[in-house]
Amino acid sequence: KAGVTQTPRYLIKTRGQQVTLSCSPISGHRSVSWYQQTPGQGLQFLFEYFSETQRNKGNFPGRFSGRQFSNSRSEMNVSTLELGDSALYLCASSLQGLAGTNEQFFGPGTRLTVL
Amino acid sequence: LAKTTQPISMDSYEGQEVNITCSHNNIATNDYITWYQQFPSQGPRFIIQGYKTKVTNEVASLFIPADRKSSTLSLPRVSLSDTAVYYCLVGDPFSSNTGKLIFGQGTTLQVKP
Repeated sequence: KAGVTQTPRYLIKTRGQQVTLSCSPISGHRSVSWYQQTPGQGLQFLFEYFSETQRNKGNFPGRFSGRQFSNSRSEMNVSTLELGDSALYLCASSLQGLAGTNEQFFGPGTRLTVL
Repeated sequence: LAKTTQPISMDSYEGQEVNITCSHNNIATNDYITWYQQFPSQGPRFIIQGYKTKVTNEVASLFIPADRKSSTLSLPRVSLSDTAVYYCLVGDPFSSNTGKLIFGQGTTLQVKP
């Protein structure tokens, strides 16, 4: 079974630009979550999508948005990039807890650098 | 969501057993305890999950006392490849918040030869 894939793996942007990151979950997984990881703040939850609806949201500004498609693939968008948005963006998918576990399967991440 | 507290770092040597303790004083009745492992520049990986007493799998053991206010991840006979950051998380796997993991600072385990 293929794991979670994220594209692109690396991205360099300049301040003020916008960026879109893509995530393909494990086949059959309907929940997709996004996280931001930085050396200073650690791993922080951005938002979760389930069946094309945002189900949970973290404490990030409105510049961070996402969506999920009918095939469960998800995209995350960051507008008006700031230097502080430089981070590793991780996507994770899960079976939604029906199996009695909230195990999330993480992708390799997209390394975003904002200059 | 219950807050967790764990040591920032630990050192060990190859072949030793490593025990990482996590404190979660405000754990709720429906909460489970889950541990993740993360290598540099990779996403975290699920290690083990438990509710009470002891859980063991091929990678680790998880010990949870009766009051559930703490838990201990035990890694038997660690190797250099076990050098990573280990996160303890608490949450209800049956709730609508299952997709929202709250990570603390984690414990950086350094295994030395």
